[in-house]
Amino acid sequence: SQQGEEDPQALSIQEGENATMNCSYKTSINNLQWYRQNSGRGLVHLILIRSNEREKHSGRLRVTLDTSKKSSSLLITASRAADTASYFCASFNAGGTSYGKLTFGQGTILTVHP
Amino acid sequence: EAQVTQNPRYLITVTGKKLTVTCSQNMNHEYMSWYRQDPGLGLRQIYYSMNVEVTDKGDVPEGYKVSRKEKRNFPLILESPSPNQTSLYFCASSGTGEVTLHFGNGTRLTVT
Repeated sequence: SQQGEEDPQALSIQEGENATMNCSYKTSINNLQWYRQNSGRGLVHLILIRSNEREKHSGRLRVTLDTSKKSSSLLITASRAADTASYFCASFNAGGTSYGKLTFGQGTILTVHP
Repeated sequence: EAQVTQNPRYLITVTGKKLTVTCSQNMNHEYMSWYRQDPGLGLRQIYYSMNVEVTDKGDVPEGYKVSRKEKRNFPLILESPSPNQTSLYFCASSGTGEVTLHFGNGTRLTVT
């Protein structure tokens, strides 16, 4: 089955710096989503980008999508200690008949030092 | 408050002792799903349900059962748990027309 891959696996930065996380996927998609997970808690949806979009913004978040390279990136600008969490991409396969085809990457652990 | 509620939050059990993890959502969502999360493996889907009485296997269904008798509830059943089912489990739901998931807070299961 499709498996997203995220890079880097872990990222450590100082408050105020920007954090960039990358995600690659293997098959055509309808959309790609990013989720955040605080330690041991449930995932929370952050942002969705459709396959016909190239860039999307939400507050301090910027997501890009390059369908030719089958990759996406999540940029968090002006990071805060409260951004410390794991971040997951999830791809929704084109041609999938149900939400059952939403496939998660392995995640990037972001640590923001005050 | 709109939410997905899982119980219990933590569970320690022994091999072979049947257990059920409950999941309930109050958003009238049609779609519900179970995932397990393991270090280095990310989230893997166990089972999902598109609506009442409609369930289907995900990527790792072996050793698990589910039922969807009511729209709001989607319990995960382990008939004979084994140590390799020690994991962090998440229930999630989504409504018609949505493509994003709402997650519960997770159940940490340890099978000894």
